[in-house]
Amino acid sequence: AQSVTQLGSHVSVSEGALVLLRCNYSSSVPPYLFWYVQYPNQGLQLLLKYTSAATLVKGINGFEAEFKKSETSFHLTKPSAHMSDAAEYFCAVSVSTGTASKLTFGTGTRLQVTL
Amino acid sequence: DGGITQSPKYLFRKEGQNVTLSCEQNLNHDAMYWYRQDPGQGLRLIYYSQIVNDFQKGDIAEGYSVSREKKESFPLTVTSAQKNPTAFYLCASAPGGFADTQYFGPGTRLTVL
Repeated sequence: AQSVTQLGSHVSVSEGALVLLRCNYSSSVPPYLFWYVQYPNQGLQLLLKYTSAATLVKGINGFEAEFKKSETSFHLTKPSAHMSDAAEYFCAVSVSTGTASKLTFGTGTRLQVTL
Repeated sequence: DGGITQSPKYLFRKEGQNVTLSCEQNLNHDAMYWYRQDPGQGLRLIYYSQIVNDFQKGDIAEGYSVSREKKESFPLTVTSAQKNPTAFYLCASAPGGFADTQYFGPGTRLTVL
């Protein structure tokens, strides 16, 4: 069964510093992987998605993620953190149920950005 | 504007009462989903529907029920059989193909007193 593990439930960075949020996946077949962001008391918004077209995926708000099959990882990065990046981030893997997709989510990483 | 609406945003109920959460989408998506979110546990799938008049149980369906009579609507009922219903509930929809992006509504926070 497919699953994802997010290392670190809380990450704190200074404004302007590199953001690195870790996600490792487990899948018996080539996975489709997603990163979502959630601001307080809101729904989830898609940041980026990997569908095997390219290993480096660029998303919104300056975020990107690199799919590394040898490390079973899909870490999310941003070169320079901004205060507005403070939110919770979820990694997810898509599981086929026939025609529809089901997402299995990690437990999330809360990003704090300090001055 | 196309999107997903959930109502109400906040809901308070007494223990033992059934409550229905609304989810409507105007994206013309075939698939719809209900998730439950608890602190530190990520999102867990309650029910999903790939097409009108059809739905399947997710990972934590006990104590919940759904219907899908219209393509745009996928209401969730939290029954008195759900032992710990206080949570944040999120509805999502997707076009219906494998690996499609799921689009989320703003959520309903249910508190059972």
